[in-house]
Amino acid sequence: EAQVTQNPRYLITVTGKKLTVTCSQNMNHEYMSWYRQDPGLGLRQIYYSMNVEVTDKGDVPEGYKVSRKEKRNFPLILESPSPNQTSLYFCASRSPTGNYGYTFGSGTRLTVV
Amino acid sequence: TQLLEQSPQFLSIQEGENLTVYCNSSSVFSSLQWYRQEPGEGPVLLVTVVTGGEVKKLKRLTFQFGDARKDSSLHITAAQPGDTGLYLCAEGGGGADGLTFGKGTHLIIQP
Repeated sequence: EAQVTQNPRYLITVTGKKLTVTCSQNMNHEYMSWYRQDPGLGLRQIYYSMNVEVTDKGDVPEGYKVSRKEKRNFPLILESPSPNQTSLYFCASRSPTGNYGYTFGSGTRLTVV
Repeated sequence: TQLLEQSPQFLSIQEGENLTVYCNSSSVFSSLQWYRQEPGEGPVLLVTVVTGGEVKKLKRLTFQFGDARKDSSLHITAAQPGDTGLYLCAEGGGGADGLTFGKGTHLIIQP
């Protein structure tokens, strides 16, 4: 089944403790993105990647890092999480061709206390 | 960053009624996508519209793209409880730089 897999689905952590949210897709997609979703603010893009070793900032990149060492994986790294990064996070991917539509993962709900 | 305004923000109607939700921008869309998101899940693509004046149908859902490509609408005929969800419009997707989303319309269809 074609899918984007995120782990973990739920995570509670403490301020300052480094964490990584993994994202993997099995569709051989070149393009991948990370979003956060907050009440009243909607979905906002954090980082995106055009292909292996090519990443760029989205609209809200502060406090986040990403890497793209393999085509299928696009982890989101929070070096020193803070409570304002409590949010619902989504990873998404798509092919450069086709109907422009992204396939989204099921989300990671992160709470930073 | 292009701003997308969706209306209404919330809509609750009875099963069997028709409804329309809107997505507007002050700038021209390169392309526009509609997604539906259910609680606890990621958005799922419903349709992409690219050409001004385009109309696409997906069962009871009809999507229109304005002639000037600055607005779009989603019309649902004979709404069913299974249509309940958050409907999102998003601009972009032509390149690798992802999507800009509207804040969505929360739709509840009551049996």
